[in-house]
Amino acid sequence: ETGVTQTPRHLVMGMTNKKSLKCEQHLGHNAMYWYKQSAKKPLELMFVYSLEERVENNSVPSRFSPECPNSSHLFLHLHTLQPEDSALYLCASSQSQGERGEAFFGQGTRLTVV
Amino acid sequence: GENVEQHPSTLSVQEGDSAVIKCTYSDSASNYFPWYKQELGKRPQLIIDIRSNVGEKKDQRIAVTLNKTAKHFSLHITETQPEDSAVYFCAESMGSGVSNYKLTFGKGTLLTVNP
Repeated sequence: ETGVTQTPRHLVMGMTNKKSLKCEQHLGHNAMYWYKQSAKKPLELMFVYSLEERVENNSVPSRFSPECPNSSHLFLHLHTLQPEDSALYLCASSQSQGERGEAFFGQGTRLTVV
Repeated sequence: GENVEQHPSTLSVQEGDSAVIKCTYSDSASNYFPWYKQELGKRPQLIIDIRSNVGEKKDQRIAVTLNKTAKHFSLHITETQPEDSAVYFCAESMGSGVSNYKLTFGKGTLLTVNP
């Protein structure tokens, strides 16, 4: 499969559960991102990984924990979430050097916290 | 770049009319400005982008203009069609380099093209 793939597509979890979101890119990119998309809000950048190192953490609560084991995979570990964390979580990848900087997005995981 | 303002938040046009969406940014170091289209239930996808050394770029019915002095850029869609209905996001970044390539997005514009 090509492009950026996210699993699962939909997730319903209780506030005491622990779950993980997975993202995989087959584009040879060296940067990966997690974005949160809530209703009536802009795409919010959560984390940036470049060359498998976290280069940005935008004041995200510790109940969200990212992991980037290699340049093709990115995880978002979730625990003790709140109902307001319900949103679409989008993974993206790009090449951190070069002219374009275009980000390619996965289809997202629709998360509902009950 | 840290802040991108996008207007309008909603836009409704008749099929065949033009649509214009505008964004302003605050960081003069920004030099890459993409536009993304997100159809309902789908992922955002790049439709056109422009770099700061160019003032205008066209791709069929879509064009983007950039005014670096005023720090604003606009998306123009001509001869709109119902399939253009979607949410459009502008974004900016400072280009390549560690942490400079990350995109900051506007809030999005819901475009509805009425048949």
